Amino acid sequence: SQQGEEDPQALSIQEGENATMNCSYKTSINNLQWYRQNSGRGLVHLILIRSNEREKHSGRLRVTLDTSKKSSSLLITASRAADTASYFCAIEDSNYQLIWGAGTKLIIKP
Amino acid sequence: DAGVTQSPTHLIKTRGQQVTLRCSPKSGHDTVSWYQQALGQGPQFIFQYYEEEERQRGNFPDRFSGHQFPNYSSELNVNALLLGDSALYLCASSAGQVHTEAFFGQGTRLTVV
Repeated sequence: SQQGEEDPQALSIQEGENATMNCSYKTSINNLQWYRQNSGRGLVHLILIRSNEREKHSGRLRVTLDTSKKSSSLLITASRAADTASYFCAIEDSNYQLIWGAGTKLIIKP
Repeated sequence: DAGVTQSPTHLIKTRGQQVTLRCSPKSGHDTVSWYQQALGQGPQFIFQYYEEEERQRGNFPDRFSGHQFPNYSSELNVNALLLGDSALYLCASSAGQVHTEAFFGQGTRLTVV
């Protein structure tokens, strides 16, 4: 079963707007990672946030983690057409296994 | 650096047949993990190989087996193929067993007819 659940399942916004995706999980975690996947091919690692961290930035990406609510959010600021992709959260559990959600499909309209 | 390479990119097999998928990890990586991704779903962990041994396994039947070679490359074998095995099979490599950042190949698209 998939422990991570992304919300929304799909998101369509105008270029230049900000996009926010959420991930909820059920188990205790070592870390939580966000990945991007273009056209159903390989996944690209975006950012990792450890269980003792609350916020992390990387370029136009901002990730927050609330372990009390077992949730995380990914914010992409000033979106571009090239950001169109599916975004997945992956939870590394206490057994060091990566458990994935079903993803959020993001469409950036020009 | 070639990154993670997988072969073949596409494959069509018939129910009941056997298939072998191959993965070469990123240079410097010694751990290979395999995932199955059905259309519209997130990846499902199949198993992980480190030091030529299967270290962790997800909820997949014994029809799914693998191997890691001394050069860290890996194979995924699936026996007695079912229609439901049709999916994108992804290989990820990392340095050590603990997941810090996994590098993924482009995947093998397997279609079972």
